[in-house]
Amino acid sequence: QQPVQSPQAVILREGEDAVINCSSSKALYSVHWYRQKHGEAPVFLMILLKGGEQKGHDKISASFNEKKQQSSLYLTASQLSYSGTYFCGTEYSGSSNTGKLIFGQGTTLQVKP
Amino acid sequence: NAGVTQTPKFQVLKTGQSMTLQCAQDMNHEYMSWYRQDPGMGLRLIHYSVGAGITDQGEVPNGYNVSRSTTEDFPLRLLSAAPSQTSVYFCASRTSGGFNEQFFGPGTRLTVL
Repeated sequence: QQPVQSPQAVILREGEDAVINCSSSKALYSVHWYRQKHGEAPVFLMILLKGGEQKGHDKISASFNEKKQQSSLYLTASQLSYSGTYFCGTEYSGSSNTGKLIFGQGTTLQVKP
Repeated sequence: NAGVTQTPKFQVLKTGQSMTLQCAQDMNHEYMSWYRQDPGMGLRLIHYSVGAGITDQGEVPNGYNVSRSTTEDFPLRLLSAAPSQTSVYFCASRTSGGFNEQFFGPGTRLTVL
């Protein structure tokens, strides 16, 4: 089943911070984060693996809480270019080599001047 | 590299018609997937493949068929189009293993009347 993202929508002023959460009811192997601008394809931001490895964006950070099966994406000192819809994608433990990446419903972020 | 390409970009069908959405990648990726995107529903996995000759169902496979005869191509077939299949369809690919980003194609916007 789909991971659950919260909040559904966020409105910020430039320079403010935001946190987007992604929760799963199943044990996670990895969490992927993507951003999508209106009318475009999703673009990769970060990957986090069970065990703590991370790969991705140098201005956006994320965490992976294995106990809670939850990942959080931290957007600090937001810029206008951060506006878009953020998706988390999850691979579940036991299916890490199946190519099956399931996405949440998305969080819409709007950054205003 | 062209990356992930999809054709057509736009398509209008009548109920009951069939058609094939084309997807190709030139990155030699083992994993390929098809997603549909509807407002408020995020990206939902239709079918996916871990290599030539191997496909499996995702979250919403009904009404769609896939095959993977080569590493490069992963076409999605709509057998008998229904208005509920009106959506934006994204094809994606990535290298096998959990620590690799997924690349998305530009999408196909399909309307079924």
